[in-house]
Amino acid sequence: AQSVTQLGSHVSVSEGALVLLRCNYSSSVPPYLFWYVQYPNQGLQLLLKYTTGATLVKGINGFEAEFKKSETSFHLTKPSAHMSDAAEYFCAVSGYNQGGKLIFGQGTELSVKP
Amino acid sequence: GAVVSQHPSWVICKSGTSVKIECRSLDFQATTMFWYRQFPKQSLMLMATSNEGSKATYEQGVEKDKFLINHASLTLSTLTVTSAHPEDSSFYICSAPRLASSYNEQFFGPGTRLTVL
Repeated sequence: AQSVTQLGSHVSVSEGALVLLRCNYSSSVPPYLFWYVQYPNQGLQLLLKYTTGATLVKGINGFEAEFKKSETSFHLTKPSAHMSDAAEYFCAVSGYNQGGKLIFGQGTELSVKP
Repeated sequence: GAVVSQHPSWVICKSGTSVKIECRSLDFQATTMFWYRQFPKQSLMLMATSNEGSKATYEQGVEKDKFLINHASLTLSTLTVTSAHPEDSSFYICSAPRLASSYNEQFFGPGTRLTVL
């Protein structure tokens, strides 16, 4: 069984400040981990993913995330927030031989203050 | 990147009618597609896995007769909401993993907003 927990349904930062969105997972198989962004009334766009190899992964728009197996975490960070980063962010987990089935976290709404 | 389309992007219907939503993979083949439902300010809930050439696999609590899924070809899956009621109003999103992908990366459609009056 797999599950994802995102701590904080809403995060607010100032423009230029560090963005940290937390994600912890549970998986009985080696996990594949994803972060997606969703803008209002749109589908999901992949920010980054971890499958195997390097545990620090870089994605689009300056985001990155680090897979920490010991902490079962995959937190998303960005050094400097931009107004355009305001959106809903979802962490998701899948696994080898899961057929692509994704289990999503509850989502975190990121607000960016000028 | 791979592209998945959905049609229509939004639909309004009367209670009791049926609505069909299409999900197409435009530049790759997908033997499997997934249908999600998203209520306002909430996460995506997997409804069912659509399998080309066989029956869909529904998640627990999802009514098979209410949400009919047909995976007609390697590029098309349809979700039909039968006898729709206001509580079926939601944002429906499909996704498809590319066949050749070894790590199940999925590509999402833009979603369909269903409003049942």
